[in-house]
Amino acid sequence: LAKTTQPISMDSYEGQEVNITCSHNNIATNDYITWYQQFPSQGPRFIIQGYKTKVTNEVASLFIPADRKSSTLSLPRVSLSDTAVYYCLVGDRGSQGNLIFGKGTKLSVKP
Amino acid sequence: NAGVTQTPKFRVLKTGQSMTLLCAQDMNHEYMYWYRQDPGMGLRLIHYSVGEGTTAKGEVPDGYNVSRLKKQNFLLGLESAAPSQTSVYFCASSPPQGNTEAFFGQGTRLTVV
Repeated sequence: LAKTTQPISMDSYEGQEVNITCSHNNIATNDYITWYQQFPSQGPRFIIQGYKTKVTNEVASLFIPADRKSSTLSLPRVSLSDTAVYYCLVGDRGSQGNLIFGKGTKLSVKP
Repeated sequence: NAGVTQTPKFRVLKTGQSMTLLCAQDMNHEYMYWYRQDPGMGLRLIHYSVGEGTTAKGEVPDGYNVSRLKKQNFLLGLESAAPSQTSVYFCASSPPQGNTEAFFGQGTRLTVV
């Protein structure tokens, strides 16, 4: 499994764009990059997933450079309700079976 | 559509007591997982299952046992609870394909006194 490194915490203000970068230097060819969001007292929730280049959905964008050794989750115009912990996961669950979380990034959005 | 349901939501145990946490999913997923989350920490994988009748150890399996007798259910057992097992436990399920998402339950808050 590829080890991931992401900032422990980040602060932002409402309306700003937030970019959270995750490093995964030993990513394997079959690994996908997946981001989850967790609010206090709730289970994690899937945000976005990608393999290469850029992926966008109604919640976020995921930027993956050509070497795939890092990825950046971009949250446009954050609000107070985006305050949560964001986890970057890298792996190939299809062959490995497990799903390993790191420590995540605690994002605090201020008014 | 219930998704992933965990039972119970809260429980207080005395040291040495045993209990079983139940996870049920109605999405016909092959894979199921049990995690624990301690205050201010990330999720740590206890055990997981890639199909009915199979289980495997995760990152922190000691003190726990699991069973997957039916595809839709994944049971987590504590044979002799210890205060160090005080935590919030999350169950999840997913399809086997790597490019799919996992779905999580709402958690079970367990306190061992």
